[in-house]
Amino acid sequence: EPEVTQTPSHQVTQMGQEVILRCVPISNHLYFYWYRQILGQKVEFLVSFYNNEISEKSEIFDDQFSVERPDGSNFTLKIRSTKLEDSAMYFCASLRGQYNEQFFGPGTRLTVL
Amino acid sequence: DQQVKQNSPSLSVQEGRISILNCDYTNSMFDYFLWYKKYPAEGPTFLISISSIKDKNEDGRFTVFLNKSAKHLSLHIVPSQPGDSAVYFCAASASPRNAGNMLTFGGGTRLMVKP
Repeated sequence: EPEVTQTPSHQVTQMGQEVILRCVPISNHLYFYWYRQILGQKVEFLVSFYNNEISEKSEIFDDQFSVERPDGSNFTLKIRSTKLEDSAMYFCASLRGQYNEQFFGPGTRLTVL
Repeated sequence: DQQVKQNSPSLSVQEGRISILNCDYTNSMFDYFLWYKKYPAEGPTFLISISSIKDKNEDGRFTVFLNKSAKHLSLHIVPSQPGDSAVYFCAASASPRNAGNMLTFGGGTRLMVKP
């Protein structure tokens, strides 16, 4: 069964460093998302991406964040200068487009020291 | 921001009995609702969904009920099995035809099914 994959599973970085989280969505899906879950808190929407551009973003998704679909299969989330409060599980999701049943990857645990 | 709320952080049921997980929402623009199941160290797994034009949707052991006037939905699992033990998230979306819309999640309910 097709699935969303994410790498790395765990990323440790120093505050102020740039990180890139990678996702490979399901191949025939058209819509892509990033969510995050800070430990003990809700899953929160960050950004949605369709047709090579951002379609929606939350207040969390400030200028430090960017997304890209560089090669038609990967979907990346970049954090330019990480802060301690960026420590969270980051989930990528994709959607085929007919309904709103988004399929999630296993997540990347980002730890900012 | 508490647009989607799951008031019970945990629920414990006996194997074979019914599990009922509840979810309330405040945003009347929501018209598509989903339940996800999550195991530790894994991403949320889609379980079942319901559109606001329906009041019930059933898939095997899982049934979701929607009460629009009360802005309340529930997930029934019957019979409950030990493998159902996980965290269950309710999520909502506005205008599913615009599939770019975000999901708004509740805080989750940890279900423990005892053998």
